[in-house]
Amino acid sequence: QITLKESGPTLVKPTQTLTLTCTFSGFSLSTSGVGVGWIRQPPGKALEWLALFYWDDDRRYSPSLKSRLTITKDTSKNQVVLTMTNMDPVDTATYYCAHREPAAGTLDYWGQGTLVTVSS
Amino acid sequence: DIQMTQSPSTLSASVGDRVTITCRASQSFSRWLAWYQQKPGKAPKLLIYKASSLESGVPSRFSGSGSGTEFTLTISSLQPDDFATYYCQQYNSYPWTFGQGTKVEIK
Repeated sequence: QITLKESGPTLVKPTQTLTLTCTFSGFSLSTSGVGVGWIRQPPGKALEWLALFYWDDDRRYSPSLKSRLTITKDTSKNQVVLTMTNMDPVDTATYYCAHREPAAGTLDYWGQGTLVTVSS
Repeated sequence: DIQMTQSPSTLSASVGDRVTITCRASQSFSRWLAWYQQKPGKAPKLLIYKASSLESGVPSRFSGSGSGTEFTLTISSLQPDDFATYYCQQYNSYPWTFGQGTKVEIK
């Protein structure tokens, strides 16, 4: 059974760096084709894809946010970490991590999401 | 970036209705298109992948079709549990992009 759970601060100040951790179980990030992605959703708005970490250590980022994002993994802890620098109030959103399924090619299992508010 | 535009933005329908949601892409691609259902306060749920493949456990009243720049999600007979917001997503090229969503409301 695949599960993912996001953790991190619920409130960050403008200009601070956000660090979010996705802790997963039920799959291995060493399995060919598997990935873990991050997606966010501002309140009342649409989904926005942020980044993806693949089994072979390939990393993909949204070009509009690439300069601010870093995605890494901790294999021993079954975790994928997303950092976003220079946070702004427009970054207030629910942040989700999700499992990328090789056969489907996209995100089949999602975490419950974590709401991050950017405010001074 | 491939822009995904859904129509309509809001849809009012009754239980038992046949419902169709359209997703248009700014560039043509073959089948790397997914549909998700999202309910308030919940994570999106994968319904359809590769444009027309039904995710395991998803009721057969959901179907997807299309290629090129136009894709559709059809619910053959709307059920009470189906009132939600639906998103299309292309994963043909990076950055992956989502449509703006279609809210299916009770008529």
